[in-house]
Amino acid sequence: QQQVKQSPQSLIVQKGGISIINCAYENTAFDYFPWYQQFPGKGPALLIAIRPDVSEKKEGRFTISFNKSAKQFSLHIMDSQPGDSATYFCAASILGGSQGNLIFGKGTKLSVKP
Amino acid sequence: ETGVTQSPTHLIKTRGQQVTLRCSSQSGHNTVSWYQQALGQGPQFIFQYYREEENGRGNFPPRFSGLQFPNYSSELNVNALELDDSALYLCASSLGGRAFNSPLHFGNGTRLTVT
Repeated sequence: QQQVKQSPQSLIVQKGGISIINCAYENTAFDYFPWYQQFPGKGPALLIAIRPDVSEKKEGRFTISFNKSAKQFSLHIMDSQPGDSATYFCAASILGGSQGNLIFGKGTKLSVKP
Repeated sequence: ETGVTQSPTHLIKTRGQQVTLRCSSQSGHNTVSWYQQALGQGPQFIFQYYREEENGRGNFPPRFSGLQFPNYSSELNVNALELDDSALYLCASSLGGRAFNSPLHFGNGTRLTVT
């Protein structure tokens, strides 16, 4: 049973455009929602994370939008750059439990064209 | 600050063999989590170790086992290897407890191929 569904599977965006990746979750007990960026041959690196008590969090060009009633959250990358080309994973976990137990989506491969 | 280091980087084993993967946590981190990432998939949680004890386990069979040492480094052992065990194995360290501001820091993984 996939608890975090991520879309799209792949995304091509022009330089300067906005990249949008969406995730939906099923378990209402989740209370921590991070996004990870992974380059080929590297481990995932934390980009930005949000808790359900806020609807939006922005860090530089990266913004998480969170809709608790719809059980959905999304990553927006503003002014996308070729260096942003990577695979992005959304994830969810329950902070009261083992924080290491992140449930990941299947990933979105982003390509930013110059 | 030293990041998470994993060894070896690549490994080829034969079905039925046993393998040990190693991980050194980031300095100051006392918790280690292991994940399996199949090609084209997101990482899947195997288990976590905190203060040398297993502190949570995902849906993996008992032939996946681990250890954490007093210096917080960790090992992942897989017995009776199967072809489906071929994957990237990721180690992540963090601070234990319920600190929200303690994200997982991943190493670059060990690529295991089972033939």
